[in-house]
Amino acid sequence: GAVVSQHPSRVICKSGTSVKIECRSLDFQATTMFWYRQFPKKSLMLMATSNEGSKATYEQGVEKDKFLINHASLTLSTLTVTSAHPEDSSFYICSARGSGGYQPQHFGDGTRLSIL
Amino acid sequence: GQQVMQIPQYQHVQEGEDFTTYCNSSTTLSNIQWYKQRPGGHPVFLIQLVKSGEVKKQKRLTFQFGEAKKNSSLHITATQTTDVGTYFCAVSGTYKYIFGTGTRLKVLA
Repeated sequence: GAVVSQHPSRVICKSGTSVKIECRSLDFQATTMFWYRQFPKKSLMLMATSNEGSKATYEQGVEKDKFLINHASLTLSTLTVTSAHPEDSSFYICSARGSGGYQPQHFGDGTRLSIL
Repeated sequence: GQQVMQIPQYQHVQEGEDFTTYCNSSTTLSNIQWYKQRPGGHPVFLIQLVKSGEVKKQKRLTFQFGEAKKNSSLHITATQTTDVGTYFCAVSGTYKYIFGTGTRLKVLA
């Protein structure tokens, strides 16, 4: 089946640090990748949609200068949390889907970000 | 904007009992997907429904899409401890997905 690798799985860092999270589709070409944020015991909140070679589409209320997304190739998207603060602590999950019709999403394992 | 509600929010069942979660949309849907997220894990795709009134089965799981394509249900027969997790429905738009609020299932052995 389709595999999506997300790295790192866990980050603990000081306030003010920028953190980069990578999302790779290992065995398929992901025309679209999605970045979600999930609070404990809550649903997935879509942050942005990323298409290869174009600017990401951010959801309302998500600061694009705070959460930088780059989709450099059909297999790689990155999310950079710039100048992270404690309120940015959360579980971030990426997903990827192929092209054509209604495709299912394949999720990475997620990154647990803790800002001290 | 489009809202996708799931009920119940939580469900505790005794092992062997049945379980159902319902997904309701404020708008007519083109399709609906179901995902399962185990505690500490990531969502895993279960199934997709496209046709009005469609019913699909996966072993003990039965998925149904409403006739009006505004709601869907997931039914688990004779739950097992391995069924523990949160079940999400997700509706697909042109370029993005909207996830339901989720139903967290606990199965007591």
